[in-house]
Amino acid sequence: AQSVTQLDSQVPVFEEAPVELRCNYSSSVSVYLFWYVQYPNQGLQLLLKYLSGSTLVKGINGFEAEFNKSQTSFHLRKPSVHISDTAEYFCAVSDEMDSNYQLIWGAGTKLIIKP
Amino acid sequence: DSGVTQTPKHLITATGQRVTLRCSPRSGDLSVYWYQQSLDQGLQFLIQYYNGEERAKGNILERFSAQQFPDLHSELNLSSLELGDSALYFCASSARQGPYGYTFGSGTRLTVV
Repeated sequence: AQSVTQLDSQVPVFEEAPVELRCNYSSSVSVYLFWYVQYPNQGLQLLLKYLSGSTLVKGINGFEAEFNKSQTSFHLRKPSVHISDTAEYFCAVSDEMDSNYQLIWGAGTKLIIKP
Repeated sequence: DSGVTQTPKHLITATGQRVTLRCSPRSGDLSVYWYQQSLDQGLQFLIQYYNGEERAKGNILERFSAQQFPDLHSELNLSSLELGDSALYFCASSARQGPYGYTFGSGTRLTVV
């Protein structure tokens, strides 16, 4: 069965520093990959997605992610974070074998920005 | 505004009671998904509807039920409520079947006292 692992439950980082949030998945077939962000007291918002093509995907708010098929990873990066990036980030995956395109979710990573 | 509307935003009710949460999907979206988010369980998929039909079931308790109406809005019914049902309940919608991701509503915060 598919699974998604977000290795860090919390990532503290200083403002204006770079950050990487890690996501690994298990699947033997072609996958579609997503990152969502949840700001405090809000719903989840799509940051970016990989469906096919270029393995480097750019999203909103300066975030990008790179799909690495051999490592089965889809890590999220930002070169310089701001206080406003404080949120929980969720990685999700669906695969071509699921006709419902259900998303399988990671447990989330809380990004904590230190001033 | 994501285009997915959930009502009410907050709900406080007593144990043993029944509540109904409502979701209007984004215009044109046929699929509706319900999720429960709590501190100890994280984001849990409950159920999916596509154009009025149930398509997938997740960790939904027998005390919970849902339906999607002809106008595509959906309702999640929670009955015999327990303290542990206190959580954020999210609705999400997506367009035609495909790997397009979901659009989430802002959620209903349910507190059972």
